[in-house]
Amino acid sequence: DAGVIQSPRHEVTEMGQEVTLRCKPISGHNSLFWYRQTMMRGLELLIYFNNNVPIDDSGMPEDRFSAKMPNASFSTLKIQPSEPRDSAVYFCASSFYTAGVTEAFFGQGTRLTVV
Amino acid sequence: QKEVEQNSGPLSVPEGAIASLNCTYSDRGSQSFFWYRQYSGKSPELIMFIYSNGDKEDGRFTAQLNKASQYVSLLIRDSQPSDSATYLCAVHNAGNMLTFGGGTRLMVKP
Repeated sequence: DAGVIQSPRHEVTEMGQEVTLRCKPISGHNSLFWYRQTMMRGLELLIYFNNNVPIDDSGMPEDRFSAKMPNASFSTLKIQPSEPRDSAVYFCASSFYTAGVTEAFFGQGTRLTVV
Repeated sequence: QKEVEQNSGPLSVPEGAIASLNCTYSDRGSQSFFWYRQYSGKSPELIMFIYSNGDKEDGRFTAQLNKASQYVSLLIRDSQPSDSATYLCAVHNAGNMLTFGGGTRLMVKP
């Protein structure tokens, strides 16, 4: 398997524009996590899905952020409208959750810069 | 108080020494615990996990768990300059939430 695939790897956009980040989890995995990483706040969990269903989105900073998982092989994280403070590296991770243990594997991340 | 706490470091050790990284967590219902390594500009990669009290060894790495004290540690024996990275502790709860600490930056000096 190619691992977790994220696109784009880098995104530069102007404030106010819509940004869509994409993630393809590892085939067969049933859990997917979206994280945001900054120097100040570290790795923050934004939302996670089990079997394509959003379980906890309490980490989503505000209504400008939304995430979907229409099927087991694809997820999106959308920011609309984007703001400079959204600049960060966004990671997607997937795992096969069973019996209380989940080994999550990360994608390469999307470095987002909002100017 | 953050759910998973780590000293941000940097922790500096000489080559060949033992590096000791520590992590505390607040949720007593946490079930399994993970150590990830992250090189600058790269994504986190899993080193090992532990879910039972005691020690678990994998090569030069040993994870230690004490659920009563809500404490997890990672020991790296015979530290190498290539071990220089940020080490992230992650805690998994029954709801499948995986929460990370802020990470400890380790520097191994030749």
